[in-house]
Amino acid sequence: DTGVSQDPRHKITKRGQNVTFRCDPISEHNRLYWYRQTLGQGPEFLTYFQNEAQLEKSRLLSDRFSAERPKGSFSTLEIQRTEQGDSAMYLCASSMGYGGYTFGSGTRLTVV
Amino acid sequence: SQQGEEDPQALSIQEGENATMNCSYKTSINNLQWYRQNSGRGLVHLILIRSNEREKHSGRLRVTLDTSKKSSSLLITASRAADTASYFCATDSNTGNQFYFGTGTSLTVIP
Repeated sequence: DTGVSQDPRHKITKRGQNVTFRCDPISEHNRLYWYRQTLGQGPEFLTYFQNEAQLEKSRLLSDRFSAERPKGSFSTLEIQRTEQGDSAMYLCASSMGYGGYTFGSGTRLTVV
Repeated sequence: SQQGEEDPQALSIQEGENATMNCSYKTSINNLQWYRQNSGRGLVHLILIRSNEREKHSGRLRVTLDTSKKSSSLLITASRAADTASYFCATDSNTGNQFYFGTGTSLTVIP
């Protein structure tokens, strides 16, 4: 376990389709975060889990977005009925609750 | 918004020179972090500085924090071509459950 893994690295989907991304955090980390980043911008917070509990969600996380962390380990982020505006890099990060985040390499979503 | 703002937006220097990037934020913080991002990749944590600290070093990196001015700076000394990346500051929210990132400084180090 050398870092945060995200799958897939790239996803191209047609508008209106559903997509699901997976994040495997560092195993000792109890906190997991999802961020979204568009070109030329910094990451924007989407949601945060402590163990399996989703404790905070951004207003950016519309009802088309849902995230889960069922056993307090890996997490999934699903986007339903994708729109072109959903095209972005989706970043997952984990932490122990102190110190910095460890980020994954991200999933780049392109909605066509 | 509590979002940090980096300055300058872009910086181009010769290898061996020092690079200084600044970050300003709006509300009180518990800590501030700096991250590096290579093109198309995830972010790499560089340094965390707490609100009761004024300066921190890590290798060729030096971070300062002035809470009275709500600003921080990141200094990279003796820059290398491999330092070419975008650099972001991130400030914690009042819940501490998330960090707000700025739009970043794009650093280009010319060999």
